[in-house]
Amino acid sequence: EVQLVESGGGLVQPGSSLKVSCVASGFTFSRYVMEWFRQAPENGIEWLAYINTDSSSTHYAETVKGRFTISRDNAKNIVDMQLSSLRSEDTAMYFCARESFFKYGSYGFDYWGQGVMVTVSS
Amino acid sequence: DIVMTQSPSSLAVSAGETVTINCKSSQSLLSSRNQINYLAWYQQKPGQSPKLLIYLASTRESGVPDRFIGSGSGTDFTLTISSVQAEDLADYYCQQHYNYPLTFGSGTKLEIK
Repeated sequence: EVQLVESGGGLVQPGSSLKVSCVASGFTFSRYVMEWFRQAPENGIEWLAYINTDSSSTHYAETVKGRFTISRDNAKNIVDMQLSSLRSEDTAMYFCARESFFKYGSYGFDYWGQGVMVTVSS
Repeated sequence: DIVMTQSPSSLAVSAGETVTINCKSSQSLLSSRNQINYLAWYQQKPGQSPKLLIYLASTRESGVPDRFIGSGSGTDFTLTISSVQAEDLADYYCQQHYNYPLTFGSGTKLEIK
């Protein structure tokens, strides 16, 4: 059974840092692109970051570029995201998701974690 | 960035009715190389993470009931839910994966009367 389990959330002060992690199981992790999303309370879904299978390529949303860093460890089946210089507007549920591909490219995100809450407040 | 405009923002229907959710992209999601539309639909039930319903505009994900139908091409897409059931209470989002940054519609909240 495919599972993605996030951890590392919590309450932090503005300007601080936090790392959220996502442990994968039930599939060959090293073969899949992994990405992070977030959803502020009562808001829509925002894509944040992408990392390819061997970590040679990453992409970020402009809202987090330079503050957030995505990384992965294929030996441990983990994808992390380091959140820095946190702001109140970063308060959200953070999700990791697996992207699935076919011959002609992506067909979407077929597995998501349950999410981890990050609250930025003084 | 590709802007995804979704409508309506909410709707309330009785069980058994048919609902239509619309999604318009600010640029075409149809690849000229392979004639594929890179548009997905997700369902998010209260307190849960999103679930992939439809990909490539019209292909149902495995296990998704056939009352969920995706259609459209280019910039205009539709999710139709026929014979809505109580379990379909959820938020629905369209998402383009034509290029980065990936973007979502603002969502449609489906309520059951």
